[in-house]
Amino acid sequence: GIQVEQSPPDLILQEGANSTLRCNFSDSVNNLQWFHQNPWGQLINLFYIPSGTKQNGRLSATTVATERYSLLYISSSQTTDSGVYFCAVEPSGGYNKLIFGAGTRLAVHP
Amino acid sequence: GAGVSQSPRYKVAKRGQDVALRCDPISGHVSLFWYQQALGQGPEFLTYFQNEAQLDKSGLPSDRFFAERPEGSVSTLKIQRTQQEDSAVYLCASSSPAGYGYTFGSGTRLTVV
Repeated sequence: GIQVEQSPPDLILQEGANSTLRCNFSDSVNNLQWFHQNPWGQLINLFYIPSGTKQNGRLSATTVATERYSLLYISSSQTTDSGVYFCAVEPSGGYNKLIFGAGTRLAVHP
Repeated sequence: GAGVSQSPRYKVAKRGQDVALRCDPISGHVSLFWYQQALGQGPEFLTYFQNEAQLDKSGLPSDRFFAERPEGSVSTLKIQRTQQEDSAVYLCASSSPAGYGYTFGSGTRLTVV
C-alpha cells in the first residue's frame, strides 16, 4: 500500500521562528490533507490540498503531486501552534480512506 | 450539526467488558469513517460507510470489533470482550460527496484496565 513519510519527526522552535514540514508519499493520490492535532487530541483540518498552493493566515501549503510531496509552512510561530501535524492522503483508484503519516511533533517555546 | 460529535469523550472499561462508542456525523455527509489512534502514533483506518452500507471493514483488528450505521446517519462502534491492547483514541470522521476533505470528531479515549 501507499507509504506516507513525514519529516522532521520532532521540531522545537522559539516563538516567532518560521518552519517547513514535509510529507512524501509513494503513489498517486486523489486527496491530501494537513491536520493539526492539539494537546486535547482534536484533529483540526488545516488544508485540503491535492495539488497547488493555499494560504491561510500564517500557514501555507504546497503540494507537487507529480513529485509526490507536500510542504506545510508555518511563519511567525506562536505557542498555540504546538502539537502534532499530520499529513494524510487518499490513494488514487477510488479507495475511500485516508492514510496518515506518523506526524511531526512541534513545540513552540516563548 | 455543525461538527462531528462523539460520545462518550472518555471511557474506562474493565477487561472483558463490552463497550459502544457513538458518532454523530455532520448532517448530510454520506461518508463516515472510524479510525484508531494509539498513543504517539497517527490514526489508522478501521472501517468506512457510505450511507448505511459498510463498504470497507478491512482495518477492523479482530471479530470483536463491529460497526453499524443503520439509518445512514449516526454510527456505533462496538468492541466486545475488551482487551488492554484495545486502549486507544477512537476517532470518527465524515465527508461530503463534494470531496472537500474530512472532518474529525474529538474522539473517544478508551482505557481498558
